[in-house]
Amino acid sequence: AQSVSQHNHHVILSEAASLELGCNYSYGGTVNLFWYVQYPGQHLQLLLKYFSGDPLVKGIKGFEAEFIKSKFSFNLRKPSVQWSDTAEYFCAVKRRLTGGGNKLTFGTGTQLKVEL
Amino acid sequence: GAGVSQSPRYKVAKRGQDVALRCDPISGHVSLFWYQQALGQGPEFLTYFQNEAQLDKSGLPSDRFFAERPEGSVSTLKIQRTQQEDSAVYLCASSLKRTGADEAFFGQGTRLTVV
Repeated sequence: AQSVSQHNHHVILSEAASLELGCNYSYGGTVNLFWYVQYPGQHLQLLLKYFSGDPLVKGIKGFEAEFIKSKFSFNLRKPSVQWSDTAEYFCAVKRRLTGGGNKLTFGTGTQLKVEL
Repeated sequence: GAGVSQSPRYKVAKRGQDVALRCDPISGHVSLFWYQQALGQGPEFLTYFQNEAQLDKSGLPSDRFFAERPEGSVSTLKIQRTQQEDSAVYLCASSLKRTGADEAFFGQGTRLTVV
């Protein structure tokens, strides 16, 4: 089955530590890839996206992700996390719908807690 | 409003009751999506509208689920004869383009609890 896998379900880091969250997908062909973040009590927000071009994508708040086609991966990174990065992070792949349009297929999410 | 608005934020339903969940997308957004997010899971696609046309409903889990967007703006997700397994957060998202290939903006969701 086509899927998106996030291997780390819960991550706890100290402030200033480096972050890498894994994401693998099982689709072939062209994919559009996204990372969304959900801060406590808030709605899902787009962190960054990859459609084409440079496989290293920079997003908001110092986050970046690297698309590695050969590994079917789109890992999220941040060199130095802050307490305010505590949130749940979702990787997603956009796929075409048969009748037209596109949908997002999400991973199960990674809950990140940053401790002071 | 500036974002996607969903109401109610919380809904408790007795098993067997019908519920209706409302989504107000961002004005002018052509594409509208409904997702279901169970506890500890990522959002799962339910259905997609392009204006008033429901182009895909492949994710609706049963014929008890019905969605509409009659005038191409506000959408309603209706669940008939609710069951405990319907308990989840229901998310609505909208995007500007016809294809829905651009960024999707999400509402805060409606948390449905079936007791």
